[in-house]
Amino acid sequence: GAGVSQTPSNKVTEKGKYVELRCDPISGHTALYWYRQSLGQGPEFLIYFQGTGAADDSGLPNDRFFAVRPEGSVSTLKIQRTERGDSAVYLCASSSTGSREQFFGPGTRLTVL
Amino acid sequence: GEDVEQSLFLSVREGDSSVINCTYTDSSSTYLYWYKQEPGAGLQLLTYIFSNMDMKQDQRLTVLLNKKDKHLSLRIADTQTGDSAIYFCAESKRDAGNMLTFGGGTRLMVKP
Repeated sequence: GAGVSQTPSNKVTEKGKYVELRCDPISGHTALYWYRQSLGQGPEFLIYFQGTGAADDSGLPNDRFFAVRPEGSVSTLKIQRTERGDSAVYLCASSSTGSREQFFGPGTRLTVL
Repeated sequence: GEDVEQSLFLSVREGDSSVINCTYTDSSSTYLYWYKQEPGAGLQLLTYIFSNMDMKQDQRLTVLLNKKDKHLSLRIADTQTGDSAIYFCAESKRDAGNMLTFGGGTRLMVKP
Protein backbone atom coordinates (compact mmCIF):
# COMPACT_ATOMS: atom_id res chain seq x y z
CA GLY A 1 0.00 0.00 0.00
CA ALA A 2 0.97 3.65 -0.22
CA GLY A 3 3.21 5.09 2.43
CA VAL A 4 3.09 8.49 4.08
CA SER A 5 3.20 11.27 1.52
CA GLN A 6 4.06 14.92 2.01
CA THR A 7 3.58 17.89 -0.25
CA PRO A 8 5.28 19.92 -1.45
CA SER A 9 8.65 18.18 -1.41
CA ASN A 10 10.37 21.56 -1.47
CA LYS A 11 9.11 24.98 -0.52
CA VAL A 12 11.03 28.23 -0.86
CA THR A 13 9.47 31.31 0.67
CA GLU A 14 10.41 34.77 1.80
CA LYS A 15 10.74 35.90 5.37
CA GLY A 16 7.39 37.00 6.74
CA LYS A 17 5.27 34.86 4.42
CA TYR A 18 2.74 32.18 5.41
CA VAL A 19 3.22 28.53 4.41
CA GLU A 20 1.22 25.34 4.63
CA LEU A 21 2.72 21.88 4.57
CA ARG A 22 0.55 18.84 3.94
CA CYS A 23 0.80 15.27 5.19
CA ASP A 24 -1.20 12.28 3.94
CA PRO A 25 -0.78 9.43 6.43
CA ILE A 26 -1.12 5.75 5.71
CA SER A 27 -4.81 4.91 5.35
CA GLY A 28 -6.32 3.81 8.64
CA HIS A 29 -3.52 5.14 10.82
CA THR A 30 -5.05 7.04 13.74
CA ALA A 31 -1.89 8.64 15.09
CA LEU A 32 -0.04 11.36 13.18
CA TYR A 33 3.17 13.13 14.19
CA TRP A 34 5.04 16.16 12.93
CA TYR A 35 8.80 16.52 13.45
CA ARG A 36 11.32 19.10 12.32
CA GLN A 37 14.86 18.21 11.29
CA SER A 38 17.44 20.95 11.04
CA LEU A 39 20.63 20.40 9.06
CA GLY A 40 22.97 17.95 10.75
CA GLN A 41 20.59 17.19 13.60
CA GLY A 42 18.09 14.56 14.55
CA PRO A 43 14.36 15.16 14.15
CA GLU A 44 12.62 17.09 16.91
CA PHE A 45 9.02 16.46 17.90
CA LEU A 46 6.49 19.20 17.14
CA ILE A 47 2.94 17.89 17.57
CA TYR A 48 1.00 14.63 17.82
CA PHE A 49 -2.59 13.92 16.76
CA GLN A 50 -4.74 11.03 17.88
CA GLY A 51 -7.67 11.15 15.49
CA THR A 52 -8.77 14.74 14.93
CA GLY A 53 -7.45 16.22 18.15
CA ALA A 54 -3.97 17.42 19.00
CA ALA A 55 -3.03 15.16 21.90
CA ASP A 56 0.32 16.83 22.49
CA ASP A 57 1.51 20.11 20.95
CA SER A 58 4.32 20.72 23.43
CA GLY A 59 6.97 20.68 20.71
CA LEU A 60 5.61 23.62 18.72
CA PRO A 61 8.29 26.33 19.11
CA ASN A 62 5.92 29.31 19.32
CA ASP A 63 2.46 30.53 18.37
CA ARG A 64 3.45 31.06 14.73
CA PHE A 65 3.15 27.30 14.30
CA PHE A 66 -0.20 25.57 14.13
CA ALA A 67 -1.42 22.23 12.82
CA VAL A 68 -4.82 20.76 12.04
CA ARG A 69 -6.26 17.38 11.18
CA PRO A 70 -9.97 18.12 10.71
CA GLU A 71 -11.15 14.72 9.49
CA GLY A 72 -8.66 12.52 11.27
CA SER A 73 -6.66 11.79 8.13
CA VAL A 74 -4.77 14.51 6.24
CA SER A 75 -2.92 17.03 8.37
CA THR A 76 -1.67 20.53 7.55
CA LEU A 77 1.16 22.27 9.38
CA LYS A 78 0.80 26.02 9.14
CA ILE A 79 3.58 28.52 9.77
CA GLN A 80 2.82 32.23 9.96
CA ARG A 81 5.31 35.07 9.50
CA THR A 82 8.10 32.68 8.57
CA GLU A 83 11.62 33.38 9.80
CA ARG A 84 14.96 32.22 8.42
CA GLY A 85 15.35 29.99 11.46
CA ASP A 86 12.28 28.01 10.36
CA SER A 87 14.30 26.57 7.47
CA ALA A 88 14.43 22.80 7.98
CA VAL A 89 12.98 19.54 6.74
CA TYR A 90 9.51 18.97 8.17
CA LEU A 91 8.75 15.29 8.63
CA CYS A 92 5.39 13.63 9.11
CA ALA A 93 4.86 10.14 10.51
CA SER A 94 1.84 7.97 11.18
CA SER A 95 1.12 4.83 13.13
CA SER A 96 -1.82 2.54 13.75
CA THR A 97 -3.59 2.24 17.09
CA GLY A 98 -1.47 0.49 19.69
CA SER A 99 1.54 0.18 17.41
CA ARG A 100 5.02 1.36 18.34
CA GLU A 101 6.08 1.70 14.72
CA GLN A 102 5.98 5.15 13.16
CA PHE A 103 6.22 5.32 9.39
CA PHE A 104 7.81 8.48 8.10
CA GLY A 105 7.15 10.43 4.94
CA PRO A 106 9.96 11.84 2.76
CA GLY A 107 9.61 15.28 4.30
CA THR A 108 9.13 18.83 3.04
CA ARG A 109 12.28 20.91 2.78
CA LEU A 110 11.38 24.47 3.75
CA THR A 111 13.76 27.27 2.89
CA VAL A 112 13.03 30.76 4.16
CA LEU A 113 15.03 33.43 2.34
CA GLY B 1 17.96 15.79 21.26
CA GLU B 2 19.69 16.53 24.53
CA ASP B 3 18.28 13.35 26.11
CA VAL B 4 19.85 11.03 23.56
CA GLU B 5 23.48 11.18 22.46
CA GLN B 6 25.41 9.46 19.69
CA SER B 7 28.87 9.73 18.24
CA LEU B 8 28.94 11.66 14.98
CA PHE B 9 30.81 9.39 12.65
CA LEU B 10 31.88 5.78 12.08
CA SER B 11 33.93 4.36 9.22
CA VAL B 12 34.29 0.62 8.55
CA ARG B 13 35.46 -1.64 5.73
CA GLU B 14 32.99 -3.69 3.74
CA GLY B 15 32.48 -7.08 5.34
CA ASP B 16 33.44 -5.91 8.84
CA SER B 17 30.96 -5.47 11.68
CA SER B 18 29.75 -1.99 12.61
CA VAL B 19 28.77 -1.01 16.12
CA ILE B 20 26.87 2.23 16.61
CA ASN B 21 26.41 3.42 20.16
CA CYS B 22 23.81 5.56 21.89
CA THR B 23 23.26 6.77 25.44
CA TYR B 24 20.04 8.12 26.89
CA THR B 25 19.23 9.80 30.18
CA ASP B 26 15.58 9.17 30.90
CA SER B 27 14.97 6.03 32.94
CA SER B 28 11.28 6.17 32.09
CA SER B 29 11.98 5.38 28.45
CA THR B 30 9.91 2.41 27.44
CA TYR B 31 11.00 1.69 23.88
CA LEU B 32 14.28 2.37 22.11
CA TYR B 33 14.55 2.52 18.36
CA TRP B 34 17.06 2.54 15.55
CA TYR B 35 16.20 4.43 12.36
CA LYS B 36 18.20 4.67 9.13
CA GLN B 37 18.23 7.76 6.90
CA GLU B 38 19.72 7.69 3.42
CA PRO B 39 20.34 10.87 1.41
CA GLY B 40 17.09 12.31 0.09
CA ALA B 41 15.03 9.57 1.70
CA GLY B 42 12.75 9.41 4.71
CA LEU B 43 13.52 7.74 7.99
CA GLN B 44 13.31 3.96 7.88
CA LEU B 45 12.62 2.03 11.07
CA LEU B 46 15.21 -0.74 11.41
CA THR B 47 14.29 -2.25 14.74
CA TYR B 48 13.16 -1.40 18.25
CA ILE B 49 13.53 -2.95 21.68
CA PHE B 50 11.37 -2.81 24.76
CA SER B 51 13.19 -1.54 27.81
CA ASN B 52 12.82 -4.81 29.74
CA MET B 53 14.80 -6.69 27.08
CA ASP B 54 18.57 -7.04 26.87
CA MET B 55 18.99 -8.05 23.27
CA LYS B 56 17.13 -8.33 20.02
CA GLN B 57 18.41 -9.89 16.82
CA ASP B 58 16.98 -9.45 13.36
CA GLN B 59 19.02 -10.92 10.49
CA ARG B 60 22.25 -8.86 10.31
CA LEU B 61 21.15 -6.47 13.05
CA THR B 62 21.70 -7.00 16.78
CA VAL B 63 20.50 -4.51 19.37
CA LEU B 64 21.99 -4.60 22.85
CA LEU B 65 20.49 -2.67 25.75
CA ASN B 66 22.28 -2.01 29.04
CA LYS B 67 19.52 -0.48 31.10
CA LYS B 68 21.76 0.14 34.11
CA ASP B 69 24.15 2.27 32.08
CA LYS B 70 21.38 3.58 29.77
CA HIS B 71 23.42 2.43 26.79
CA LEU B 72 22.05 1.11 23.52
CA SER B 73 24.04 -0.29 20.62
CA LEU B 74 23.31 -1.44 17.10
CA ARG B 75 25.60 -4.02 15.57
CA ILE B 76 25.48 -4.57 11.82
CA ALA B 77 27.15 -7.81 10.77
CA ASP B 78 28.90 -8.12 7.38
CA THR B 79 28.47 -4.40 6.66
CA GLN B 80 27.80 -3.57 3.01
CA THR B 81 28.26 -0.34 1.06
CA GLY B 82 24.46 -0.08 0.96
CA ASP B 83 24.52 0.29 4.73
CA SER B 84 26.16 3.71 4.36
CA ALA B 85 23.66 6.15 5.86
CA ILE B 86 22.91 8.13 9.00
CA TYR B 87 21.62 6.04 11.90
CA PHE B 88 19.43 7.59 14.56
CA CYS B 89 18.77 6.27 18.00
CA ALA B 90 15.42 7.30 19.50
CA GLU B 91 13.43 6.75 22.65
CA SER B 92 9.80 6.99 23.58
CA LYS B 93 8.60 7.66 27.09
CA ARG B 94 5.89 6.01 29.11
CA ASP B 95 2.49 7.70 28.79
CA ALA B 96 3.79 10.22 26.26
CA GLY B 97 1.84 9.23 23.17
CA ASN B 98 4.84 7.45 21.70
CA MET B 99 6.45 10.71 20.60
CA LEU B 100 10.07 10.03 19.72
CA THR B 101 13.15 11.81 21.05
CA PHE B 102 16.03 11.36 18.62
CA GLY B 103 19.77 11.52 18.98
CA GLY B 104 21.83 13.60 16.61
CA GLY B 105 22.62 10.67 14.34
CA THR B 106 25.76 8.70 13.50
CA ARG B 107 27.00 8.82 9.93
CA LEU B 108 28.22 5.37 8.89
CA MET B 109 30.63 5.23 5.97
CA VAL B 110 31.42 1.83 4.51
CA LYS B 111 34.58 1.62 2.43
CA PRO B 112 34.89 -1.04 -0.27
